[in-house]
Amino acid sequence: DIVMTQSPLSLPVTPGEPASISCRSSQSLLHSNGYNYLDWYVQKPGQSPQLLIYLASNRASGVPARFSGSGSGTYFTLQIRRVEAEDVGIYYCMQGLQSPGTFGQGTKVEIK
Amino acid sequence: QDQLVQSGAEVKKPGASVNVSCRASGYRLSTYGLTWVRQAPGHGPEWMGWIGIKNGDIKYAQKFQARVTMSIDTSTITAYMEVRSLRSDDTAVYYCARCLSSFGLYGMDVWGQGTTVTVSS
Repeated sequence: DIVMTQSPLSLPVTPGEPASISCRSSQSLLHSNGYNYLDWYVQKPGQSPQLLIYLASNRASGVPARFSGSGSGTYFTLQIRRVEAEDVGIYYCMQGLQSPGTFGQGTKVEIK
Repeated sequence: QDQLVQSGAEVKKPGASVNVSCRASGYRLSTYGLTWVRQAPGHGPEWMGWIGIKNGDIKYAQKFQARVTMSIDTSTITAYMEVRSLRSDDTAVYYCARCLSSFGLYGMDVWGQGTTVTVSS
């Protein structure tokens, strides 16, 4: 199975400041079709996970432009341009290249 | 609005089976893939399996292969997941989620509300 490793595991943030989460995979997520099969999800307290970014850099429908994803191969980053209070939650990366899909451990984002 | 509506909470004894349903609303189930994910208390999500509804392909995570069956009833646009021989560590919230592609495991853009399964004697 592909192992996903996130850092940091805890991220205190100040509203209005940028934030960044990294995710590494134990194998390349770059398919021969040129796409990297890496998603980002956020789970807010008491809710189902929500898709933020798919195929490494594509924002899902309705996701604010302050969220962006980048990276290729085995290293990926989720960036929040200016954090807002509503962004608190646990952020997960997940690889969808091969079965079984695997999630990172999660990064808890909280307001300072 | 596209939605996935799951069945209600279940309490089961060890060794029993549970069947969780997931009904699609507002879109054609056959156009997308469907993934099942579970989340034990205090833990992150765990991928269980995926159904490529268009081609009937089903992929299971190896740890669930022997105890889990996923299926689709296209006439009622409902997906089902049965977990057999339940153990206490199967206690979790079980989610179904739509995948953006009918062929890929990625991009779970619509999620059900979750079904809490509690396994206790």
